[in-house]
Amino acid sequence: SQQGEEDPQALSIQEGENATMNCSYKTSINNLQWYRQNSGRGLVHLILIRSNEREKHSGRLRVTLDTSKKSSSLLITASRAADTASYFCATTWVRHSGGYQKVTFGIGTKLQVIP
Amino acid sequence: DGGITQSPKYLFRKEGQNVTLSCEQNLNHDAMYWYRQDPGQGLRLIYYSQIVNDFQKGDIAEGYSVSREKKESFPLTVTSAQKNPTAFYLCASRGNSPLHFGNGTRLTVT
Repeated sequence: SQQGEEDPQALSIQEGENATMNCSYKTSINNLQWYRQNSGRGLVHLILIRSNEREKHSGRLRVTLDTSKKSSSLLITASRAADTASYFCATTWVRHSGGYQKVTFGIGTKLQVIP
Repeated sequence: DGGITQSPKYLFRKEGQNVTLSCEQNLNHDAMYWYRQDPGQGLRLIYYSQIVNDFQKGDIAEGYSVSREKKESFPLTVTSAQKNPTAFYLCASRGNSPLHFGNGTRLTVT
């Protein structure tokens, strides 16, 4: 089953504008992560927020987490053309037995930043 | 340099043949994962392994098999039972928390 679902699926903005992407998930989680993927490449980790955190910053990135609504948002401020990529949220939950950490991804938001 | 290596980058096979995708990591990570990505889609979990000699089915394990005989290696076999094997396959490993990804193998089956 798909855990995260990003919204919007595609976003096109002008350089310098802010970009906001949202993610919703279905079950309880240990943490939520955001990743970036350039076309045809692997994913790169951007930021992790734990289930007991509400907001986290890293450079131009700001992530919020609302566990009551099972949702998260990623804000990229002052966007640059180099931010053009797909962005995915991923949720981690730990199975009660064996300690297995299952990490599942949403369908992603394709961001285009126009110079 | 530590990282994850997937090989080959492109792989072509005829329908009905099994094919094995390689994934090697030198990050000393215990956990490893295989995902499948279809065009314009997200990642779907195929198999994951928390430790050597143990692995768990993900959400779309049918038609795939894995082994974890060594910590560094987690090969994925796409069998002839997989109905739509053409896809981009991504391997990842995990230490404490974030996943580290390889650059993927694009498999085309005709």
